[in-house]
Amino acid sequence: GAVVSQHPSWVICKSGTSVKIECRSLDFQATTMFWYRQFPKQSLMLMATSNEGSKATYEQGVEKDKFLINHASLTLSTLTVTSAHPEDSSFYICSATGGGRSNEQFFGPGTRLTVL
Amino acid sequence: AQTVTQSQPEMSVQEAETVTLSCTYDTSESDYYLFWYKQPPSRQMILVIRQEAYKQQNATENRFSVNFQKAAKSFSLKISDSQLGDAAMYFCAYRSTIIKLSFGAGTTVTVRA
Repeated sequence: GAVVSQHPSWVICKSGTSVKIECRSLDFQATTMFWYRQFPKQSLMLMATSNEGSKATYEQGVEKDKFLINHASLTLSTLTVTSAHPEDSSFYICSATGGGRSNEQFFGPGTRLTVL
Repeated sequence: AQTVTQSQPEMSVQEAETVTLSCTYDTSESDYYLFWYKQPPSRQMILVIRQEAYKQQNATENRFSVNFQKAAKSFSLKISDSQLGDAAMYFCAYRSTIIKLSFGAGTTVTVRA
């Protein structure tokens, strides 16, 4: 149990376009979801925390107007990168917690975004 | 903010041997959790082992064990009988009552056949 999926697994887009990444908890209700960004050979950097039905809480330095996060249901959170630029190219990972196992985060497989 | 320090960017181990990864953390909390995650080339984060701070006994999961020294704020991971499949990046992580995880910089483990 405790499976988290992400879609798409990789995406290539043109500069200036917007890209939406979905994060789903498949077998539990995710009361809280997290979005991370990871550059090659580096650690995970937390971008924001979202609770179902509430506005996301963004980490310092993360542009909330650029990285729109929606957590509309207990199984789905989305990250939209608006007006993407090449510097937004990165690996984005979501994680989720809930379902009576709030002490552990379950990670999605990640989404590789390349902006041309 | 809590900080997690992994001082070894890379470690190499011979297959079937043992390797120990170090991790230290800084916190003023008394109740917290510590984790080791493995990130193989697929980049899927995999939980290796977890330790609750209130537990004195060191956690063990098959070939993986930790040495938790609360007073020293140290949380090292020992991988015994290393296998080729253990090659990955390993992250130490801290979590207090606030559910956000703080990650260390990571240690890349290479296993030599």
